[in-house]
Amino acid sequence: DVKVTQSSRYLVKRTGEKVFLECVQDMDHENMFWYRQDPGLGLRLIYFSYDVKMKEKGDIPEGYSVSREKKERFSLILESASTNQTSMYLCASSFGGTGYTFGSGTRLTVV
Amino acid sequence: GNSVTQMEGPVTLSEEAFLTINCTYTATGYPSLFWYVQYPGEGLQLLLKATKADDKGSNKGFEATYRKETTSFHLEKGSVQVSDSAVYFCALRSLTGANSKLTFGKGITLSVRP
Repeated sequence: DVKVTQSSRYLVKRTGEKVFLECVQDMDHENMFWYRQDPGLGLRLIYFSYDVKMKEKGDIPEGYSVSREKKERFSLILESASTNQTSMYLCASSFGGTGYTFGSGTRLTVV
Repeated sequence: GNSVTQMEGPVTLSEEAFLTINCTYTATGYPSLFWYVQYPGEGLQLLLKATKADDKGSNKGFEATYRKETTSFHLEKGSVQVSDSAVYFCALRSLTGANSKLTFGKGITLSVRP
């Protein structure tokens, strides 16, 4: 089975900090995605990547950036964390037209 | 553009009750349709899928039929268990376009009482 691993289950950061959320998949998937999940809003796509060093904006990219230097790793970066970025962050990967495999999520609290 | 609409929640049922969760969609082309489930404290897992009209996806006692004429993919289960308590997301992937992004509904929380 494909495994998608997110480095932290829970994070607490201060406003203004630079925050890195890491995601690693072990099955050579081309596509990787970052979503945030908020009550009543469902999943919203932040950024996605179809290949190494490629990235595309999703629906809510403001305040975020991403990095994909290696195929297996897709990092989400909050340049200057704010309280409205407190959320559950979910990483996913897929190959071609298959369904997504999700990580367990990182619950980020910005204080 | 693509969109997925799920019925409003939350839903609370007693064990062994019949479950229906409605999902309708708007999409270009001929999308594939999915149901994902999220158990407490976990990420999303694929529950079932259907790739063309009239296909029925099934898994763990859950079923959903791809209805092109009504643009729907309603999730059903004949007898729910406490362990089915989770958040359920309907999603689609349009087969047109250069990528394979999923579009998700807002999700609905199901609680099953013993």
